[in-house]
Amino acid sequence: RKEVEQDPGPFNVPEGATVAFNCTYSNSASQSFFWYRQDCRKEPKLLMSVYSSGNEDGRFTAQLNRASQYISLLIRDSKLSDSATYLCVVNMNTGFQKLVFGTGTRLLVSP
Amino acid sequence: DVKVTQSSRYLVKRTGEKVFLECVQDMDHENMFWYRQDPGLGLRLIYFSYDVKMKEKGDIPEGYSVSREKKERFSLILESASTNQTSMYLCASSYDRGPRELFFGEGSRLTVL
Repeated sequence: RKEVEQDPGPFNVPEGATVAFNCTYSNSASQSFFWYRQDCRKEPKLLMSVYSSGNEDGRFTAQLNRASQYISLLIRDSKLSDSATYLCVVNMNTGFQKLVFGTGTRLLVSP
Repeated sequence: DVKVTQSSRYLVKRTGEKVFLECVQDMDHENMFWYRQDPGLGLRLIYFSYDVKMKEKGDIPEGYSVSREKKERFSLILESASTNQTSMYLCASSYDRGPRELFFGEGSRLTVL
């Protein structure tokens, strides 16, 4: 089983739609979780951290479900500019900063 | 803004050549990382460093070495390039040992013929 798994997509949605991605992780001791965004041929950039209580940043909401070992990202009112690959990142907490990246979920928002 | 600069965006090398990939960050970050990114495999950690002259192996260190002589600079070395090292290489840095945000460079796309 992969340490961090994501549906590669692509998720094709129209502008204005709501879309959600899940990401599962294998290590129940994992402590920190993040969503990064990567545009085509660009470097990944932090989108948001995921807290135990869940957190929201504008149209983006991240949730953590420790019991089922997954995190989610919800995007409301999708914009064309949201088209990108979304990387799930988990800190496996094995001492040093051991971040494990998922392979990413590709989102395509169409007019 | 944090700036992580990778010396070469695109390189084409031949099998057996020695390859240097340089990375410089301008925010006095303690930690620096080298990843490679391949389709279907995601980002995989090659080496990281949490201090000058310190280095630690990541998940896939075979065929690579690193050098960190100055805090701001972290170099990745392929002693003898092979075709299976054709990939996108991403350098990153972060503030401290905790699970902080990683700041990435734009990447170096290496093709080994």
